[in-house]
Amino acid sequence: DVKVTQSSRYLVKRTGEKVFLECVQDMDHENMFWYRQDPGLGLRLIYFSYDVKMKEKGDIPEGYSVSREKKERFSLILESTSTNQTSMYLCASSLLAGYEQYFGPGTRLTVT
Amino acid sequence: AQSVTQLDSQVPVFEEAPVELRCNYSSSVSVYLFWYVQYPNQGLQLLLKYLSGSTLVESINGFEAEFNKSQTSFHLRKPSVHISDTAEYFCAVSLYTNAGKSTFGDGTTLTVKP
Repeated sequence: DVKVTQSSRYLVKRTGEKVFLECVQDMDHENMFWYRQDPGLGLRLIYFSYDVKMKEKGDIPEGYSVSREKKERFSLILESTSTNQTSMYLCASSLLAGYEQYFGPGTRLTVT
Repeated sequence: AQSVTQLDSQVPVFEEAPVELRCNYSSSVSVYLFWYVQYPNQGLQLLLKYLSGSTLVESINGFEAEFNKSQTSFHLRKPSVHISDTAEYFCAVSLYTNAGKSTFGDGTTLTVKP
């Protein structure tokens, strides 16, 4: 079974702090994704990566950056958090372009 | 660009009743279609998928969905629901050629009442 793990389940940060969210997958998938999930808004794509050191902006990249130095690891960076970044963050991976995605358990980030 | 519309944000049903969660998509090219389920405080899990072939696809826990190209729909159905089916359900679509991205609907919360 594919396993996608995320570094934290819950995080509480103060406005202006820097946050790293790490995601690791164990099935040698090429594609990895970061989403945020907010009530009534579904999943919105922040960034995705289709290869090591490659990244593409999603629908809402502002305020976020990403890093993919190794195939299995994809990090989401919030340089200076703001209260509107309070959300559930979901990481996912997929083997082939357009195929099903495998999700991690999510990180609930609260920025106060 | 593709888009997905889930027509109902909340669907309450009684246990053992049938249910249909509706999903429409728009795309000018061929697509892959998915239904995912999310239980409270968890990530999404794949429920079923349509990639090609038979337009009726089934999951191991009794859900089924039918790809209707002419109506651009991929509705999810179950003939008899259980309390444990209470969850949020997401429909998603991806294009054959969009480098792996999927577009998700806003989700439908299914609540099964005893």
